[in-house]
Amino acid sequence: DQQVKQNSPSLSVQEGRISILNCDYTNSMFDYFLWYKKYPAEGPTFLISISSIKDKNEDGRFTVFLNKSAKHLSLHIVPSQPGDSAVYFCAASDGDSNYQLIWGAGTKLIIKP
Amino acid sequence: GAVVSQHPSRVICKSGTSVKIECRSLDFQATTMFWYRQFPKQSLMLMATSNEGSKATYEQGVEKDKFLINHASLTLSTLTVTSAHPEDSSFYICSATGPTDNQPQHFGDGTRLSIL
Repeated sequence: DQQVKQNSPSLSVQEGRISILNCDYTNSMFDYFLWYKKYPAEGPTFLISISSIKDKNEDGRFTVFLNKSAKHLSLHIVPSQPGDSAVYFCAASDGDSNYQLIWGAGTKLIIKP
Repeated sequence: GAVVSQHPSRVICKSGTSVKIECRSLDFQATTMFWYRQFPKQSLMLMATSNEGSKATYEQGVEKDKFLINHASLTLSTLTVTSAHPEDSSFYICSATGPTDNQPQHFGDGTRLSIL
């Protein structure tokens, strides 16, 4: 049973345009959400997070939106750059003190020049 | 930002060998460390969680006698794959968080393990 779902395995976006990566979850106990970026043969890099008490968090070109009623979050990257080409993972936590993350399957983002 | 160093990055060894992978937090106290395994084209699979000074908690289906985890200090955790076999070949990644709750996990660059 996948508690965190990223339904798009890949996404192709023109350089300079907006990239929107989506993530859905089923567990209403999740209260903290994170996005990670991963290049091949490297560990994931933390990008941005959002607590369930907020509906938006912005950091430079990255903005995460959270819709709790729909159990949906999205990552917006604008403008998209070639270096943004990577696999993006959505992860969620229910606030357990061990801070274990439940991961989505990832979306491969390809930025076209 | 926080830095986690994982070593070695690549290991190739014969079947039956035991392999140790180190994970170090370089600029923060890692009260909790996690070990993941990634299969090709799949998401990260959590293997175990370790808190400094305590025994690791293993996920269902992960053999604790096969994958020995030690988290003896606030900056170092080790994963030892004992008597490795070809089916253990994979990409292993560690992450660390701390020293307070609700800190993001920071990841090492992973170890590519190939058992011949």
